Amino acid sequence: QKEVEQDPGPLSVPEGAIVSLNCTYSNSAFQYFMWYRQYSRKGPELLMYTYSSGNKEDGRFTAQVDKSSKYISLFIRDSQPSDSATYLCAMSVTTDSWGKLQFGAGTQVVVTP
Amino acid sequence: DGGITQSPKYLFRKEGQNVTLSCEQNLNHDAMYWYRQDPGQGLRLIYYSQIVNDFQKGDIAEGYSVSREKKESFPLTVTSAQKNPTAFYLCASSRMNQPQHFGDGTRLSIL
Repeated sequence: QKEVEQDPGPLSVPEGAIVSLNCTYSNSAFQYFMWYRQYSRKGPELLMYTYSSGNKEDGRFTAQVDKSSKYISLFIRDSQPSDSATYLCAMSVTTDSWGKLQFGAGTQVVVTP
Repeated sequence: DGGITQSPKYLFRKEGQNVTLSCEQNLNHDAMYWYRQDPGQGLRLIYYSQIVNDFQKGDIAEGYSVSREKKESFPLTVTSAQKNPTAFYLCASSRMNQPQHFGDGTRLSIL
């Protein structure tokens, strides 16, 4: 079983809808959680970075962490065609272990005009 | 502009050949990383370095080698011992205790 599970999609939504993405994990020691966006043939771009449980909002993006359920989410409001990409979750036990980031396999999102 | 530059964007390897992928950063980051990305799989760590002249193996280091002679540079050599080298290779860097930022990758294929 993988440490981090993520539905590969594709997830297709109409423009303006809310995109809901999630990851589940098995290691209860994870404390730092990240979401990356990756366009085709490009490197991942850091979108959100959160510590422990709770919510974090940045513009149209909201990240949620529920450590009791070992579940993290990313919501994209008012989705645009430019949001079409693969979204990767990543997590780490401590800030000393950045070399030990665990990634999900990524969810492909398609926003249709 | 500060960033991470990977070159070349596309690379072809012949059987029995070693190839070297370049990664340079001008962000003054201490740590640098190499990942491999295969379709349907998450990024897998090959090697990482937190300081010049020091590096550690990641989860899939076999068939790869690295060096860190300068803070800005972390080249990856894919040796002939790596039997399945076709993949998208990503280099990343970070300040200590901060999230990683990525370059735009090198796609390696076998001739």
